[in-house]
Amino acid sequence: KAGVTQTPRYLIKTRGQQVTLSCSPISGHRSVSWYQQTPGQGLQFLFEYFSETQRNKGNFPGRFSGRQFSNSRSEMNVSTLELGDSALYLCASSLEGSWTEAFFGQGTRLTVV
Amino acid sequence: AQTVTQSQPEMSVQEAETVTLSCTYDTSESDYYLFWYKQPPSRQMILVIRQEAYKQQNATENRFSVNFQKAAKSFSLKISDSQLGDAAMYFCAYRRNNAGNMLTFGGGTRLMVKP
Repeated sequence: KAGVTQTPRYLIKTRGQQVTLSCSPISGHRSVSWYQQTPGQGLQFLFEYFSETQRNKGNFPGRFSGRQFSNSRSEMNVSTLELGDSALYLCASSLEGSWTEAFFGQGTRLTVV
Repeated sequence: AQTVTQSQPEMSVQEAETVTLSCTYDTSESDYYLFWYKQPPSRQMILVIRQEAYKQQNATENRFSVNFQKAAKSFSLKISDSQLGDAAMYFCAYRRNNAGNMLTFGGGTRLMVKP
């Protein structure tokens, strides 16, 4: 069974631009969560989508947004990029239920210059 | 808000020896789950072990076991017979029950395994 797929793997953008990252969950998983990982702040939760609706949201500015499609694929968008947005962005998919395991993708490494 | 703290930024263990990674958390909830994830250099997070808060029995998965102390809000990971492939970042994580799949992570512990 295919794992969580994130595209692209690497991305370089200029300050002020916007970027869209994609996440394809494991087949049958309807929950998709996004995390930002940086050396300074560690792993921080961005948001979670379930059945095309945002279910949870972390403490990030409105420049960070996401959406989920009917096939459970998810995208996150960052507008007006800042240098501090440089990070590894991880996506995780899960079956419903708090006991269930979150399966992570390999991440998208975003560098803002 | 829930917080998760890993007080050991780095740990080192000799191959075949045992090492314990520490994790404490703070929550006002009584129903939650705790996880240990491993992140090797490939960056892909892998679940190592999980614990339900209402279960007193400590979880075990092969060479990995936890010491869950609910009253002390402590959740340590013990790795027995350490192998070179265990070298990675280890993250402790918390998830509240019936609150979706939002994980709160600790800062991580880098584990080095010496041959």
